[in-house]
Amino acid sequence: DTEVTQTPKHLVMGMTNKKSLKCEQHMGHRAMYWYKQKAKKPPELMFVYSYEKLSINESVPSRFSPECPNSSLLNLHLHALQPEDSALYLCASSQGDRSNYEQYFGPGTRLTVT
Amino acid sequence: AQSVTQPDIHITVSEGASLELRCNYSYGATPYLFWYVQSPGQGLQLLLKYFSGDTLVQGIKGFEAEFKRSQSSFNLRKPSVHWSDAAEYFCAVSGGYNKLIFGAGTRLAVHP
Repeated sequence: DTEVTQTPKHLVMGMTNKKSLKCEQHMGHRAMYWYKQKAKKPPELMFVYSYEKLSINESVPSRFSPECPNSSLLNLHLHALQPEDSALYLCASSQGDRSNYEQYFGPGTRLTVT
Repeated sequence: AQSVTQPDIHITVSEGASLELRCNYSYGATPYLFWYVQSPGQGLQLLLKYFSGDTLVQGIKGFEAEFKRSQSSFNLRKPSVHWSDAAEYFCAVSGGYNKLIFGAGTRLAVHP
């Protein structure tokens, strides 16, 4: 099973709302990732968790707050977002954080900020 | 600096025709290379990967790719395209901490 699941599939939120995106994998992977993808662009890395510890933050604004409660779950907490944050948010996982481990992606959450 | 270039933004082929999508990379060490496919509104699906060894790698859905170190290329090929292959294709190289560096993508359209 190479499945990464993400909920919700779609999310519409106002600029004053607080919401969370969820990601889950049951492949025993120890690295998990959040990417942001704007229309007609490649995914951009936001965060990397390795063994449940944040290892990379690509200078993401603090209105995005990641959390890794356990090795299977990854959350992205959203607060006071801007309309330009509207995008497809993709979660991925890999066996570890070494470069020769392929990443498996979830279907994404389509976020619209109004 | 590591980078990936996909020279073709958009390609149109007829169903049944052969396909080649180009990818050039810039990376100081031995590259770990990937091709992903993304259908509209979906996540990315791994088609194939190259780590070492045989420079011609086979992937899913009938795709293959050839690693050419001398040309810093990792082109994706398929002998006969199906209408369901219409999608966005991303080439990527893996950097430190498994950071994927993506190319800009090539959008494939398939004419019946």
